[in-house]
Formats: sequence, C-alpha cells, structure tokens
Amino acid sequence: DIQMTQSPSSLSASVGDRVTITCRASQNIYSVLNWYQQKPGEAPKLLIFSVSTLQSGVPARFSGGGSGTDYTLTISSLQPEDFATYYCQQTYRNPWTFGQGTKVEIK
Amino acid sequence: QVQLVESGGGLAQPGKSLRLSCAASGITFSSYAMHWVRQAPAKGLEWVALISYDGTTQFYPDSVKGRFTISRDNSKNILYLQMNSLRADDTAVYFCTRVQCTGGKCYYDHWGQGTLVTVSS
Repeated sequence: DIQMTQSPSSLSASVGDRVTITCRASQNIYSVLNWYQQKPGEAPKLLIFSVSTLQSGVPARFSGGGSGTDYTLTISSLQPEDFATYYCQQTYRNPWTFGQGTKVEIK
Repeated sequence: QVQLVESGGGLAQPGKSLRLSCAASGITFSSYAMHWVRQAPAKGLEWVALISYDGTTQFYPDSVKGRFTISRDNSKNILYLQMNSLRADDTAVYFCTRVQCTGGKCYYDHWGQGTLVTVSS
C-alpha cells in the first residue's frame, strides 16, 4: 500500500497567516493527489483534486502544488472558517489512502 | 442537488452483523462508482470498500476482506454495506462517497453525512 505522510500533524496560526501543509507519498503517485477539509462533526469536503485544481466553490486562497512524491496545500491568508483538519489522498493505486491529517488551530 | 444519506448504523455486539444503506438523489446513480470510507473516533480516514458503477467489481482492504460486502441497487439508487463478524476496531463513522474522475484522476466529490457504528458488548 502507498503510505501518505502529512506534516505537521497540527499547527497553530492566526487569521491572515499563510499556511502550508506538506504531504509525502511512499512512492511516486504521478500527481494523482487530492485534498479534503473536515470540520468537527461534518463529513470531509473536497478542496482540490489532481494536485492543483480547485473544486467548484472553493476560495482562491487555497492552492495546491507538487509532483512525484511531495505535495503541498497552501492557504494564502487564513480565515476563521479555515480552522479544520486537512487530509491528502492518493488515488493513483488501490487501495486509495489518506494522510493522517493536519489540524489547523487558532493561535 | 446531490444528496447521499446513510442509515443503518447503531450498536452491535462483537461477532454480529449490520447493514448500512446510502440513498442517493440528484445524481445519475448508475453512472458512478461508489465507495465507503470510515473514520474511527478521533482518527483519520480509511477506505473500506468500492463498487463499480454497474456493480460487477468490488474491492476491499485486508482489514475488512471476507467480512464486509458492498452492493448496490441501481433501480432504487441505494448503496449497501453488509458488515459481518463485527469487531471493536470496526467502530467508526461510515461515509458513502461518490467517485468522480477527470482525465483519469479520481476523487470523492460528494460525501454523505455519515452513520455511526459502535461495536461493543
């Protein structure tokens, strides 16, 4: 199975901060990489698919990048509604696997 | 508007069975592969089953293989997960998800609200 490792596992940031989350795959996943946002008590929500394509309705402050084994999710200016847990996911090879999550908390 | 609504969760004793359902609306259900994903309390996300759009292909991780069965009724727009020989580590919120693929790259573009399964004696 392809292992997905996110860093950091959690971070504290202030409104307006630029935040970057990293996701590393245990092997090349050829840019088949998605990002989800989950708020407490809610289902995950698709933010970005195929590394950098924003899902409809997702604010432009979210962006994704990377290739090979290393990928990033960046929030350019953190907003109050962005405090949540973020997961990366590879769908290059079965079984599809997720990172362990990165919790973004208010400083 | 796409809606996925899970039901069937609850409390089950170890070794017993439960069947989850996911009712879909607002989509051409029979055109999409569907998956089940679970989340143990305060834990991350784990894929548990997939089924092709026509129901002919199913796939499971080792953690549930031989115990869980995914199926679908395209005439009723319902996805199922039959869970047998339940164990304590199956305790989780179970989400049904729709698979969308663009340019051969796939992702979950819609999720249900989840249904909680608790396995305990």
